[in-house]
Amino acid sequence: DIQLTQSPSSLSASVGDRVTITCRTSQRISNFLNWYQQKPGKAPKLLISAASNLQSGVPSRFSGSGSGTDFTLSINSLQPEDFATYYCQQGHTIPFTFGQGTKLQIK
Amino acid sequence: EVQVVESGGDLVQPGGSLRLSCVASGFTFNSYAMNWVRQAPGKGLEWVSAISGSGSSTNYADSVKGRFTISRDNSKNTVFLQMNSLRGEDTAVYYCAKDRALIAVTGSLFDPWGQGTLVTVSS
Repeated sequence: DIQLTQSPSSLSASVGDRVTITCRTSQRISNFLNWYQQKPGKAPKLLISAASNLQSGVPSRFSGSGSGTDFTLSINSLQPEDFATYYCQQGHTIPFTFGQGTKLQIK
Repeated sequence: EVQVVESGGDLVQPGGSLRLSCVASGFTFNSYAMNWVRQAPGKGLEWVSAISGSGSSTNYADSVKGRFTISRDNSKNTVFLQMNSLRGEDTAVYYCAKDRALIAVTGSLFDPWGQGTLVTVSS
């Protein structure tokens, strides 16, 4: 199975900050990497597909990059509604796997 | 609006069975694979199973293979997860999610997700 390692596991930041979350995969997966946002008690929401494709309706302050084994999710100018847990997911090979999550907390 | 809604979660004893349902709307159901993803309390996300649009192809995580069966009824826009021989480690919120293609292939993603249904395995 392809292992996904996110860093950091948790992150404290302030409104207006820029943050970056990293996802590293145990095998090369081209750009088949997706990012999700999950708020407490809610279902995950797809933010970015294929490493860098921003989903419709997702604010442009979110961006993704990377290919191969190293990927990043960046959030510019954090807003209060961005404090949540973020997961990466590889769609390259079954079984599809997720990173362990990064909890973004308000400082 | 594309939407999926799960149901069927409950408290069940170890070794017991349960069937989850997921009703979809807002898209051509038989043109898309569907997935089940679960989340144990306070833990991360784990993909469980996928089924192709026609229902002819299925895939499972090793942790549930041989115990869980995914199926679908395209006439009712519904996907099912039959769970047998349940264990404590199966306790989780189970989410249904639409895939991007007819079968679960390279490039699969999960969008949208339902609100989830809670399965608790305990005596």
